[in-house]
Amino acid sequence: KAGVTQTPRYLIKTRGQQVTLSCSPISGHRSVSWYQQTPGQGLQFLFEYFSETQRNKGNFPGRFSGRQFSNSRSEMNVSTLELGDSALYLCASSLATSGQETQYFGPGTRLLVL
Amino acid sequence: AQSVTQPDIHITVSEGASLELRCNYSYGATPYLFWYVQSPGQGLQLLLKYFSGDTLVQGIKGFEAEFKRSQSSFNLRKPSVHWSDAAEYFCAVSSGGYQKVTFGTGTKLQVIP
Repeated sequence: KAGVTQTPRYLIKTRGQQVTLSCSPISGHRSVSWYQQTPGQGLQFLFEYFSETQRNKGNFPGRFSGRQFSNSRSEMNVSTLELGDSALYLCASSLATSGQETQYFGPGTRLLVL
Repeated sequence: AQSVTQPDIHITVSEGASLELRCNYSYGATPYLFWYVQSPGQGLQLLLKYFSGDTLVQGIKGFEAEFKRSQSSFNLRKPSVHWSDAAEYFCAVSSGGYQKVTFGTGTKLQVIP
């Protein structure tokens, strides 16, 4: 069974640009969560999707958005990039969202904003 | 608001020694608690979770954690550490499942031969 995949793995952008990151969950998983990891702020929850609906969002500005498609694949978008958006972006999938199921992480997308 | 404190930034143990990583949480009701491990080769991985029932939970790789409500703690333990356990460990809390999880700052574990 294939694991969680994220594309691209590495990305370099300049300030003011926008970026779209993709996450393909494990087959059959309907919940996808996104996280940002930086040296300064650590790991932070971005948002969580279940069956194409955003169920929760962390404390991030509106520049951060996402969506989930009917096949459970998810994308996150960051508009008007800032230097502080440089981070490792992780996505994770699980069968549902109750926490009783195991959550699996992808390898992450490392974004560098210049 | 929920929060997690991992008081130890860095811990060094000898291979074969026992390990305990501390985690204290702040949350008004019964929390969902998690431990994650992150290593360069394996990425981020869920070690174990607690949401109800038995306060001693078993996870993967021989780890266990005990939920102590009176102390607001969820410490991670392993009886005998292996060199491959060297990694960074994160404790996390949420109000329900994987939704709006709050992570601790992590504890970096070094294992010496």
